[in-house]
Order: sequence, then C-alpha cells, then structure tokens
Amino acid sequence: EPEVTQTPSHQVTQMGQEVILRCVPISNHLYFYWYRQILGQKVEFLVSFYNNEISEKSEIFDDQFSVERPDGSNFTLKIRSTKLEDSAMYFCASRPSRNGGHEQYFGPGTRLTVT
Amino acid sequence: AQSVTQLGSHVSVSEGALVLLRCNYSSSVPPYLFWYVQYPNQGLQLLLKYTSAATLVKGINGFEAEFKKSETSFHLTKPSAHMSDAAEYFCAVSPNFGNEKLTFGTGTRLTIIP
Repeated sequence: EPEVTQTPSHQVTQMGQEVILRCVPISNHLYFYWYRQILGQKVEFLVSFYNNEISEKSEIFDDQFSVERPDGSNFTLKIRSTKLEDSAMYFCASRPSRNGGHEQYFGPGTRLTVT
Repeated sequence: AQSVTQLGSHVSVSEGALVLLRCNYSSSVPPYLFWYVQYPNQGLQLLLKYTSAATLVKGINGFEAEFKKSETSFHLTKPSAHMSDAAEYFCAVSPNFGNEKLTFGTGTRLTIIP
C-alpha cells in the first residue's frame, strides 16, 4: 500500500542553523501539507501546497519557513534559522484530488530537536 | 473558522468495555470530520471519516462514529475495548472546499485496564 515517507526520523540541530525536512508524498496525490506537534500539544497546521504554490499558511509559518517541491516527488520544509521553540514533531501529509477522497495520509514524522 | 473540542484528555476503560471518546466541532461551513489514532512514537493513522454521506460511519479496528449536526458532535465509539486500542486519538475537522486543511482537537489518551 502506498505511504508517505519522511526523512530523517530525528534531526538534532543548533539554534540558528538551517534545517530541511524531507517528505515523499503518495505519487498520485495533488495536495500536500505540513503540520507540527509540539510535545504534549495538539497537531497544528503549518502550510498547504497545491499546483506548485502555497495555497494557505498559518501564522506559525513565518518568513523563516519555506516549502518546495523541487522534482515532482519530494516535498520539503525548510527552516532558515531554527529557534528553540521550533522543537517539535513535523508531519507531512498528502491528499488525492477532490474526486479521489478527502482524507489526508500522514507520514511517520520527523522529530526536530533544537539545542 | 473551525475548531474542535475533545472532552477528556485521558480516558480509561476496562478491556471488553465500551469505548466512548467525545468530539464536538464548530464550523461556519459544512465540515468534513475525521478521527485519527496515534500510537506511541508513530504518525497519524486515519480511523474513519465523515464526508457528507452516511451519518454513521464505520472505520478500522471496530470503531465507528456518528455525525450529529444538531449537537455538532462526532463521538467515537467501540463496543468492546481491546488492549491494542491504547493510544492517543485525535478528532479533526476540515472545510468541505479549498485545500481542506485539518484543524485538530487536543487529543484523548485512551488507556485500557486489563
């Protein structure tokens, strides 16, 4: 069964460093998302991406964040200068077209630890 | 704007007993509703979904949920709890148009007592 994959599973970085979190969505899906979950808190929406552009972003997704789909298969989240408060589990998700279903399929997550 | 309230951050039930996890939503447009389960150190797995067809929806692992518009609820139930049901359960809502971003509740941790 197709699944969303994410790498790395755990990333440790120092404050101020840039990180790139990678995701490979399910191949025929058209909508892509990033969510994050700070330890012990709920899952929060960061950004959605459709047709090679951001379709919506939350207030969390400030200028330090960017997303890219560089080659038609990968979907990346970049944090330019990490802060301690960026420590969280980051989930990538994808969804087929509207006619293909409305559920989002989540990857296993990348745990980002900023020290 | 949309929001989800999950009553009870922790629920404990005995093995074989009824599981009831509560979810109420607020939405200015017709919603889609979902329950996801998260096992320790794993990602989110879809349990079931409501997308404006039948109001009683059945999911995996014997779970089901009923969409009640008048009560703005989407409670999750399972007739008989199993030890393997111990996990964190998240209710989520999305609008029925656009990018359909998910808004999650705070989660309910389900513990099964042997």
